[in-house]
Amino acid sequence: SQTIHQWPATLVQPVGSPLSLECTVEGTSNPNLYWYRQAAGRGLQLLFYSVGIGQISSEVPQNLSASRPQDRQFILSSKKLLLSDSGFYLCAWSRGTPATQYFGPGTRLTVL
Amino acid sequence: AQTVTQSQPEMSVQEAETVTLSCTYDTSESDYYLFWYKQPPSRQMILVIRQEAYKQQNATENRFSVNFQKAAKSFSLKISDSQLGDAAMYFCAYESGGSNYKLTFGKGTLLTVNP
Repeated sequence: SQTIHQWPATLVQPVGSPLSLECTVEGTSNPNLYWYRQAAGRGLQLLFYSVGIGQISSEVPQNLSASRPQDRQFILSSKKLLLSDSGFYLCAWSRGTPATQYFGPGTRLTVL
Repeated sequence: AQTVTQSQPEMSVQEAETVTLSCTYDTSESDYYLFWYKQPPSRQMILVIRQEAYKQQNATENRFSVNFQKAAKSFSLKISDSQLGDAAMYFCAYESGGSNYKLTFGKGTLLTVNP
């Protein structure tokens, strides 16, 4: 069976510091991978998605970037965090059609 | 662009009763998929049920079923025999059949289950 991992689970960072969130998927190959952000009390906003190694599409221009160095690894980064980057970050994967997305446990990021 | 609307920010139900959560969507496409996700206090998004637009039969998963009205662009979720563990935020989501698998989410409905 497939599993998806995210770490860290919780992160508190000062404004201006760098960020690296990691997501890995097990039990499948060549998945589509996604990063979402959920602000408090709101729905999910798609940030990035990837259909293969090195292929990244950005949905919202902002302070964040994503990379996919390996088939089942997806990384969300920032060089300098802003207060507005605080939120809950979810990684998801899908494969095939219909491409049902399955979500990881999420990372709660607080920028102070 | 597709939009998904959940008009009920909050709903409550008594344990063992039935509740229906509403969702409407706007699209000009004929090929698409609809989903309901549940987000409990742990905040992990859990797939509840999926409906393919080309299927006329409503999807069911145990106590969860949908009422899919394609012409009305409506996709409601019915939870029967509600349990305390059903308490969560529920999100309706749309996926274009011809897209690169991007989901468009509604803003969610917070369901409370009263004992």
